[in-house]
Amino acid sequence: AQSVTQLGSHVSVSEGALVLLRCNYSSSVPPYLFWYVQYPNQGLQLLLKYTSAATLVKGINGFEAEFKKSETSFHLTKPSAHMSDAAEYFCAVSDGNAGNMLTFGGGTRLMVKP
Amino acid sequence: ETGVTQTPRHLVMGMTNKKSLKCEQHLGHNAMYWYKQSAKKPLELMFVYNFKEQTENNSVPSRFSPECPNSSHLFLHLHTLQPEDSALYLCASSLLGGAGSYNEQFFGPGTRLTVL
Repeated sequence: AQSVTQLGSHVSVSEGALVLLRCNYSSSVPPYLFWYVQYPNQGLQLLLKYTSAATLVKGINGFEAEFKKSETSFHLTKPSAHMSDAAEYFCAVSDGNAGNMLTFGGGTRLMVKP
Repeated sequence: ETGVTQTPRHLVMGMTNKKSLKCEQHLGHNAMYWYKQSAKKPLELMFVYNFKEQTENNSVPSRFSPECPNSSHLFLHLHTLQPEDSALYLCASSLLGGAGSYNEQFFGPGTRLTVL
């Protein structure tokens, strides 16, 4: 079985500050990991994915995430927050084997203050 | 049209109405999904179709009835819903077995459903 925990349902940062959104996963096999972003009244858009290649993954809009097996983490970061980054962010895990299910975390709402 | 489209984008219905949500994917995928997203609750997987066959039904009430006539289209038929069914309903698709797919799912914009 696999699971995802996102620490902090709400994160608030100032414009220009570092963004750090936390994700820890549990998986019995090497996982595939994803970060999605959801803007108000829209669907989920893929930000980036880890697929067992490089452990540091770069995504769209200046976001990146680092896979740390020893910590079972896949935290999302961005060096400098922009007002347009305000959205909800979801971490998800897939075991990459039989089946095509994604297990999502509960989401973190990012607020950016001017 | 590109990606995953959903219609209608907004729907208001009474508890005795019958309505349907439509999803279409233009990505050549072979798996499709329905999710329910309620305020302050995690994303809930409702149904999964692989190659037009339903492979997952997460204890969804029978007032929700899915239909997948082909790999590109997915419907969710709604009948005698309750106010607590008000939510954003998201459709997604993915490519099973394709090189480099990694089970990545592509989402539509959702249908905002309000049950009065």
